Amino acid sequence: GEDVEQSLFLSVREGDSSVINCTYTDSSSTYLYWYKQEPGAGLQLLTYIFSNMDMKQDQRLTVLLNKKDKHLSLRIADTQTGDSAIYFCAGGGSQGNLIFGKGTKLSVKP
Amino acid sequence: GAVVSQHPSRVICKSGTSVKIECRSLDFQATTMFWYRQFPKQSLMLMATSNEGSKATYEQGVEKDKFLINHASLTLSTLTVTSAHPEDSSFYICSALRTGGVGSREQYFGPGTRLTVT
Repeated sequence: GEDVEQSLFLSVREGDSSVINCTYTDSSSTYLYWYKQEPGAGLQLLTYIFSNMDMKQDQRLTVLLNKKDKHLSLRIADTQTGDSAIYFCAGGGSQGNLIFGKGTKLSVKP
Repeated sequence: GAVVSQHPSRVICKSGTSVKIECRSLDFQATTMFWYRQFPKQSLMLMATSNEGSKATYEQGVEKDKFLINHASLTLSTLTVTSAHPEDSSFYICSALRTGGVGSREQYFGPGTRLTVT
């Protein structure tokens, strides 16, 4: 089955760019997703990328997909303190469910 | 965007009692809903897949008699934790699957329910 791996922590300074990386094992996922979870809250869909795309940009967010290496990244430009949260990448499971990485905790220092 | 609600947001119950959590898709119909569980500082783990009008499909290791799922309509799924124990304390999140206009299968998550069993 699908396995999704992420680094657990990332710390950046306000105004810098953040890059969160993710690797996955199952190349059959049609879509790959990034979710944001603020403390004590549910998940917010940030963006997703179709598996035949290399890049998707949405305002401050840029998603890069390297299918050959099964590597997905999320870049947040001009990171703000409000971006502090846990970011999960996820791939599609066989039933339409999502399989999540463990999440990367992003800390933004002023 | 699509909205999914969960009720209650927080619940504290005594060991041995049962708790029902509701998940509703407010502005779209969802044939399929999912129930996830999240332990502190860990990722979300799928518990079960809930399909409207049929029995839920449970993941390995999840007791179906303990976690009762009912998907009675296209906008409502319920999870009942029966005979709750302290180890059932967790953050339960549901999601509803919407087939999007661009062919995507988008999952929208509820805000989660924090269950504490004393």
